[in-house]
Amino acid sequence: NAGVTQTPKFQVLKTGQSMTLQCAQDMNHEYMSWYRQDPGMGLRLIHYSVGAGITDQGEVPNGYNVSRSTTEDFPLRLLSAAPSQTSVYFCASSGQAREQYFGPGTRLTVT
Amino acid sequence: GNSVTQMEGPVTLSEEAFLTINCTYTATGYPSLFWYVQYPGEGLQLLLKATKADDKGSNKGFEATYRKETTSFHLEKGSVQVSDSAVYFCALTNPGGFKTIFGAGTRLFVKA
Repeated sequence: NAGVTQTPKFQVLKTGQSMTLQCAQDMNHEYMSWYRQDPGMGLRLIHYSVGAGITDQGEVPNGYNVSRSTTEDFPLRLLSAAPSQTSVYFCASSGQAREQYFGPGTRLTVT
Repeated sequence: GNSVTQMEGPVTLSEEAFLTINCTYTATGYPSLFWYVQYPGEGLQLLLKATKADDKGSNKGFEATYRKETTSFHLEKGSVQVSDSAVYFCALTNPGGFKTIFGAGTRLFVKA
């Protein structure tokens, strides 16, 4: 049981490049979400999904897209990277107990 | 709307000291309440939870009691260790919902 996995662990992008952060869970959880964590700040919700085919925006969705074609996978796409998107990104999933399981994070730097 | 407020850090303690990190919340109904811990370079992990009033969550020597009358869920530990140094997040989820509201986090440093 791997839990929540994220790839890559580290990524450096140039301004304007696009990329996809991968997230997968093997716990059959309905709910998945993406957060960003900036230095000295808490977690900010980017996008979330309550099941396959259903996604919605969180508090900081601009510049990011998501899709949920399967229960297991919830990729986050950066459309045109900007230095303001330099951050640590966490994916999380949650089942009926409502407790969140987090991945190890992706540390993204945009130059 | 729902919100979680926790004490600002950093909190610096000596080993074996008593720890309290305050957390209060605003929510309708009876949310589920959580404490998560984040060790350096890692994702958050669940420390303990409580799902109804007067419930006490406990794990690894940490405890928190769901107080509906004061809308609080303070985290306590009787004797901290250096290995407890981390960032602690208080959080809530509304009944029937999945979205979790997190506090800003409190960084704890424990000195040997």
